[in-house]
Amino acid sequence: GESVGLHLPTLSVQEGDNSIINCAYSNSASDYFIWYKQESGKGPQFIIDIRSNMDKRQGQRVTVLLNKTVKHLSLQIAATQPGDSAVYFCAYSKAAGNKLTFGGGTRVLVKP
Amino acid sequence: DGGITQSPKYLFRKEGQNVTLSCEQNLNHDAMYWYRQDPGQGLRLIYYSQIVNDFQKGDIAEGYSVSREKKESFPLTVTSAQKNPTAFYLCASNGPGGFLNTEAFFGQGTRLTVV
Repeated sequence: GESVGLHLPTLSVQEGDNSIINCAYSNSASDYFIWYKQESGKGPQFIIDIRSNMDKRQGQRVTVLLNKTVKHLSLQIAATQPGDSAVYFCAYSKAAGNKLTFGGGTRVLVKP
Repeated sequence: DGGITQSPKYLFRKEGQNVTLSCEQNLNHDAMYWYRQDPGQGLRLIYYSQIVNDFQKGDIAEGYSVSREKKESFPLTVTSAQKNPTAFYLCASNGPGGFLNTEAFFGQGTRLTVV
């Protein structure tokens, strides 16, 4: 069946370093990918999205990379800050606006 | 302010009871979704609705029911048939926004506990 998975369940990062969070997906028909950030006890917050006809997109301190050949998605956070500590989810859908399938999440812990 | 509101934030249910979780949005979004999240896990889709008066089962619909009588509202009922209802429930809606003209907005969640 369809699935979106993560390689690393927990990532500890020194404040100021860059973070890389990885995600593997199995459905090659997926066209739209999103990264969410979820803080404890709150709903997920949209970070950045990308469509399958792109391989890279940059936001403020974040970059999403998409490798369709190996069905791999990553989120890079530059100069990680304490406020970046959260669980990060990748999600995908077959088209923008369609229902999302979520991965299992990676917890990022930023050490001072 | 525009947004999506879930209530209550915490809910306790006795075994055998049905309970209804509220989800309201004033974003004029057509699509609304209910997800379940268990501790340390990702989000699993329960039900979704792409338009008023229509909804479809997600991956874990058994023991749940929904209605979509109004565009703004998508309540979720957790029935007594749901054997393990203790979880964090998240409602979301899809609409214009973001680079790709779509962005799923989430409510702040309802934490349901069976007592």
